[in-house]
Amino acid sequence: QQQVKQSPQSLIVQKGGIPIINCAYENTAFDYFPWYQQFPGKGPALLIAIRPDVSEKKEGRFTISFNKSAKQFSLHIMDSQPGDSATYFCAASTGETSGSRLTFGEGTQLTVNP
Amino acid sequence: DTGVSQDPRHKITKRGQNVTFRCDPISEHNRLYWYRQTLGQGPEFLTYFQNEAQLEKSRLLSDRFSAERPKGSFSTLEIQRTEQGDSAMYLCASSSQRYIVNTGELFFGEGSRLTVL
Repeated sequence: QQQVKQSPQSLIVQKGGIPIINCAYENTAFDYFPWYQQFPGKGPALLIAIRPDVSEKKEGRFTISFNKSAKQFSLHIMDSQPGDSATYFCAASTGETSGSRLTFGEGTQLTVNP
Repeated sequence: DTGVSQDPRHKITKRGQNVTFRCDPISEHNRLYWYRQTLGQGPEFLTYFQNEAQLEKSRLLSDRFSAERPKGSFSTLEIQRTEQGDSAMYLCASSSQRYIVNTGELFFGEGSRLTVL
């Protein structure tokens, strides 16, 4: 069964802290792992993504760590800011074989206090 | 604004009524997706189109749900005989082969929120 499990459900950090959100998947056919950010009243927007041929990808303050053998990946936000307060979703897909249909995790509501 | 546009943004209806949502994708995108998102959950895939062809439907899409993309541009999602369990945010996303190959990115609209009383 295609599932992506995400934790924690919610997370509160102080400004400058490094929140870490974790995801685990079951389907070894997944070959694309994006993170989406969603603000209240808005649709999800792509934040950063990784493919399984690398173990880490960094874009600005956001880093994905990927562990293929453990079937886990995580999002780290360096020097977090109040503007990062949002809901974060990990996702996975099997790429073109599924028309790039995404399977999402349950989401993590992040609050960054000033 | 040249993003994905959805209409209406909010719909309140009584149980048993039919509702229709419209999605206008980014103009050059040939792929269009519908997702459903309930409170506190991640989006769940419903169906997707490549041009006018509906290529996949989720088992979540009961026979009361129908989606069309008649000319390969805008799409409609109709729910017949609505039930309280249909209350959710219905999200539309679009993409193109270029984005799928390079970044895998889907571009989401702001959603249509359905409340069934």
